[in-house]
Amino acid sequence: EIVLTQSPATLSLSPGERATLSCRASQSVSHYLAWFQQKFGQAPRLLIYDASNRATGIPARFSGSGSGTDFTLTISSLEPEDFAIYYCQLLVNWPPGITFGQGTRLEIK
Amino acid sequence: VQLVESGGGVVPPGRSLRLSCAASGFTFRSYGLHWVRQAPGKGLEWVAFISYDGRNKNYADSIEGRFTISRDNSNNTMYLQMNSLITEDTGLYYCVRELNWGQGTRVTVSS
Repeated sequence: EIVLTQSPATLSLSPGERATLSCRASQSVSHYLAWFQQKFGQAPRLLIYDASNRATGIPARFSGSGSGTDFTLTISSLEPEDFAIYYCQLLVNWPPGITFGQGTRLEIK
Repeated sequence: VQLVESGGGVVPPGRSLRLSCAASGFTFRSYGLHWVRQAPGKGLEWVAFISYDGRNKNYADSIEGRFTISRDNSNNTMYLQMNSLITEDTGLYYCVRELNWGQGTRVTVSS
């Protein structure tokens, strides 16, 4: 079973600052990792798929990188609407399922 | 892609509920689907998977045989039959196709 570990658990930053969120897999997952943003009371919103591809409509300040076991989500300059919880996600082929990281809460400093 | 969940509600422990996920905007019979849940204030937890043809199913250990996933490809709908509900089953239940999510349906198990 592949485990995804996100760090930090909470990140306190100010608008305009750069955010760097990490997701580490317990074994290599190639590039098949996605990042989601979730705001209170809303469904998760896809930001990045296949480690580095921005989903449709996602602003350019969001970028993803990494492969193998180490992945990063970077928000280059935080906007007020970016303060939310971020999850990394892996679609598992066999046995079929989905693995999630425990989430990183990005809060206003 | 549109995924619309329904069937949630408030039930006492030990009762049953059946959730539905109505899909549109893609060829339903070609895709495997998942149920994912989120307890209040907690993270995301995968619950169950069903293959495109319904032949292959997989469940989270936490479900312990109480839930059954199924689908009707003629009606573009997936289901989650939840029996012997416990308070720990409380949460928002999402229908997921790969990277596409519905808005969720809320299940509350409480006496």
